[in-house]
Amino acid sequence: DAGVTQSPTHLIKTRGQQVTLRCSPKSGHDTVSWYQQALGQGPQFIFQYYEEEERQRGNFPDRFSGHQFPNYSSELNVNALWLGDSALYLCASSLRGTETQYFGPGTRLLVL
Amino acid sequence: QQQVKQSPQSLIVQKGGISIINCAYENTAFDYFPWYQQFPGKGPALLIAIRPDVSEKKEGRFTISFNKSAKQFSLHIMDSQPGDSATYFCAASRQGAQKLVFGQGTRLTINP
Repeated sequence: DAGVTQSPTHLIKTRGQQVTLRCSPKSGHDTVSWYQQALGQGPQFIFQYYEEEERQRGNFPDRFSGHQFPNYSSELNVNALWLGDSALYLCASSLRGTETQYFGPGTRLLVL
Repeated sequence: QQQVKQSPQSLIVQKGGISIINCAYENTAFDYFPWYQQFPGKGPALLIAIRPDVSEKKEGRFTISFNKSAKQFSLHIMDSQPGDSATYFCAASRQGAQKLVFGQGTRLTINP
């Protein structure tokens, strides 16, 4: 049973560029949440997708957007990248109505 | 506003000793409290979780103690081993929200 997978593992971008990160949830899960983890900090909630719609959003600007596909996989898009967007981006999957979230290995984004 | 405060930031314990990490929360609507373990370059992995209706939960060498009136909970790792060396995060969420609020993390080092 495959767990949560994310791609790519690492990414280097320059300021002002746009980036797309991808996530495939654990088999049987229908809800995907995205978190940003800055170096030395705890993960911070960006947003959550269920039934292809954004259901909850954390304190992140509109430059951060996402999408969920019919097969429950998800994308995180970040426009107009800042240096401060450099972080580990984590995807977590869960089954709607349950609390347990399983995290993927993350995508390490470096903005130069 | 930091809703979950975690301490200490770092902890060094001798092999075989007890590691204790503490967390305090502010939002009384929180009703799910998981602990995650994270190794360098990996995503967080769920260790153990508790709800406010019990004061203690034990799984193997890991125990969560929960004090609802004080709004505090802690993780105890018994017989700590070098393989337990990792960063530990406490988190909290409201029922049905599936939005985790994380503490700042504790870097645990177990000396052989």
